Amino acid sequence: AQSVTQPDIHITVSEGASLELRCNYSYGATPYLFWYVQSPGQGLQLLLKYFSGDTLVQGIKGFEAEFKRSQSSFNLRKPSVHWSDAAEYFCAVGENQAGTALIFGKGTTLSVSS
Amino acid sequence: DAGVIQSPRHEVTEMGQEVTLRCKPISGHNSLFWYRQTMMRGLELLIYFNNNVPIDDSGMPEDRFSAKMPNASFSTLKIQPSEPRDSAVYFCASSPGLAGASDTQYFGPGTRLTVL
Repeated sequence: AQSVTQPDIHITVSEGASLELRCNYSYGATPYLFWYVQSPGQGLQLLLKYFSGDTLVQGIKGFEAEFKRSQSSFNLRKPSVHWSDAAEYFCAVGENQAGTALIFGKGTTLSVSS
Repeated sequence: DAGVIQSPRHEVTEMGQEVTLRCKPISGHNSLFWYRQTMMRGLELLIYFNNNVPIDDSGMPEDRFSAKMPNASFSTLKIQPSEPRDSAVYFCASSPGLAGASDTQYFGPGTRLTVL
């Protein structure tokens, strides 16, 4: 069965520092991978997604993620964090078949210190 | 586009009462999802519909929960009777197609439910 693990529940990063949020998945074939962000009191918004091709994916708000099949990982990165990036981040995995749904990780809460 | 619309945004009710949450998906979208988010359990998929037909309701916690999608532009999630452990934020999401994960899901702002 598919599963997603986000090992870090909470991370604090200084403003301007780089960020990496970890995501590991379990899936038999090539998965479809997503990162969503949830700001306080808001719904989830898609940051980026990977289906195939280039393993380095660019998303909105300056985020990128790299698919590493050998490590079953899809880590999210940003070179310089802004205070407005404080939010909860969810990794999700799915397959491209009708009648299926995404599996979400438990989420990582990002705090940004000044 | 107005995005996914959910109502009410906040609901406070007493144990034993019936609660109905409403969702209007993005026009033209063919899939609709109901999620529940709590601190303890994170984001859980409750049920989802393709073309108004329920595909998988295995995430519905128990018979007190029911969901309907009478047409392409409206869905409800009903809890009867409600219990304090149902307190959570309930999200509705929609996606354009039917092909599983290849479609981006668009989330509504959520309904924060408190059962006293």
